Amino acid sequence: GAGVSQSPSNKVTEKGKDVELRCDPISGHTALYWYRQRLGQGLEFLIYFQGNSAPDKSGLPSDRFSAERTGESVSTLTIQRTQQEDSAVYLCASSLTRELFDEQFFGPGTRLTVL
Amino acid sequence: AQTVTQSQPEMSVQEAETVTLSCTYDTSESDYYLFWYKQPPSRQMILVIRQEAYKQQNATENRFSVNFQKAAKSFSLKISDSQLGDAAMYFCALRRGTSYGKLTFGQGTILTVHP
Repeated sequence: GAGVSQSPSNKVTEKGKDVELRCDPISGHTALYWYRQRLGQGLEFLIYFQGNSAPDKSGLPSDRFSAERTGESVSTLTIQRTQQEDSAVYLCASSLTRELFDEQFFGPGTRLTVL
Repeated sequence: AQTVTQSQPEMSVQEAETVTLSCTYDTSESDYYLFWYKQPPSRQMILVIRQEAYKQQNATENRFSVNFQKAAKSFSLKISDSQLGDAAMYFCALRRGTSYGKLTFGQGTILTVHP
């Protein structure tokens, strides 16, 4: 595809349920980032992947949050036992390499609503 | 730790006029990059302009330019000849100049363009 894609576009779930959010980066991009955007706020970094390893998980807010990546392809962000405070837009971005001059291209995000 | 502050939650401008969005930041790094991103209602983050901290010359991209004041840690965005399509949320972001590209974002400024 031409850009970063994310699915689902919107997800409504009940408190306590688990959810999986998917990110398909641009083909060939080795670096992948997850961010969270609460309503009316800026983006908060969650996790960074280089290939399928995650050198920086420092932004994951709790052990209910986890992520994995298959090779240099799809990444999945999993939130277990969702809470209302998890409601936000989850954005994924990818870049060709981890080099500083490489632009991060963002997906359209998944809007998660926890009832 | 790095912080980015956007003190203007909302701004408005008349079509064809000029508007300036403010951003201040704090970092202990000597090498870093600064960015302005645009987020329209579609949620798709779009890179508007970027500035390498080691460059004294202010970056420009067509109607978009920045005023980078390194000593004051200020990084404002000027939009000239504003167009209706410029209406969006604008985020200032900082990336440290080492290792990989995790971005730290400000809270955002909603820009309204009046016809």
